[in-house]
Amino acid sequence: RKEVEQDPGPFNVPEGATVAFNCTYSNSASQSFFWYRQDCRKEPKLLMSVYSSGNEDGRFTAQLNRASQYISLLIRDSKLSDSATYLCVVLSGGYNKLIFGAGTRLAVHP
Amino acid sequence: ETGVTQSPTHLIKTRGQQVTLRCSSQSGHNTVSWYQQALGQGPQFIFQYYREEENGRGNFPPRFSGLQFPNYSSELNVNALELDDSALYLCASSSQKETQYFGPGTRLLVL
Repeated sequence: RKEVEQDPGPFNVPEGATVAFNCTYSNSASQSFFWYRQDCRKEPKLLMSVYSSGNEDGRFTAQLNRASQYISLLIRDSKLSDSATYLCVVLSGGYNKLIFGAGTRLAVHP
Repeated sequence: ETGVTQSPTHLIKTRGQQVTLRCSSQSGHNTVSWYQQALGQGPQFIFQYYREEENGRGNFPPRFSGLQFPNYSSELNVNALELDDSALYLCASSSQKETQYFGPGTRLLVL
C-alpha cells in the first residue's frame, strides 16, 4: 500500500464547477499535511497547508480528518488557470521528508 | 519565484555513465532535499542534507550520492546510470523543518 493515495483522475470540469479531491495517508504519526500544485513540466508549488480545523484560501478549502487519515481539497468556481496536477503531501516525522501522492490531474474547460 | 536554482535544465546520458546535478538553495536556507519524479508519478524522496551532513535517505541505492557545500548549495551524483533513472530531479530548500521550496528541476534522459 502506498503511503499517500489519491484519486487518479483526470477530472474534466467546466469553468465555474466545484471539484473535490480526496487523499488518504497510512502513517498515523504524520504531523503536517499539504496540497501542492504542479503545472505541466514545472516544479511543484505549495498551494496550501492543511489543518485539523480546516482552512480556506479564497476558492480553495482544505480539510483534514486525523481519525480517518483523510485529506481533501475543494475548489469552487473553477477557472481555466486551475488546470494542473494537484499533489497531496504528508510530512514524515523525524526529518523534513515530504511524501507525495501520485497526483490528480484537473482539466478545466470553457 | 522561489530563489532555488538547478543546473542543468536538461541532460541526456547513456546507460553506465555518471551524472552530477546541482542546486543552489534560497538565501537563508540550510537544508536541501532531493526528489526524483518519474513520468506520471509524484516526487520520491532521495535524501536530505542539513549543514553539510546527510540527514535522511529514501529507498534509493548507494549509486545515488550527494554533497552539500558550506554555502548550502548541493550536488546529486548518480553513478552507473540505468534507463529507469530517466526522470525529473527536483531539489527543495528549506530552513530545517520549515516549508520546502522547489527549484525548476533537471530533466534527465538515459538512453
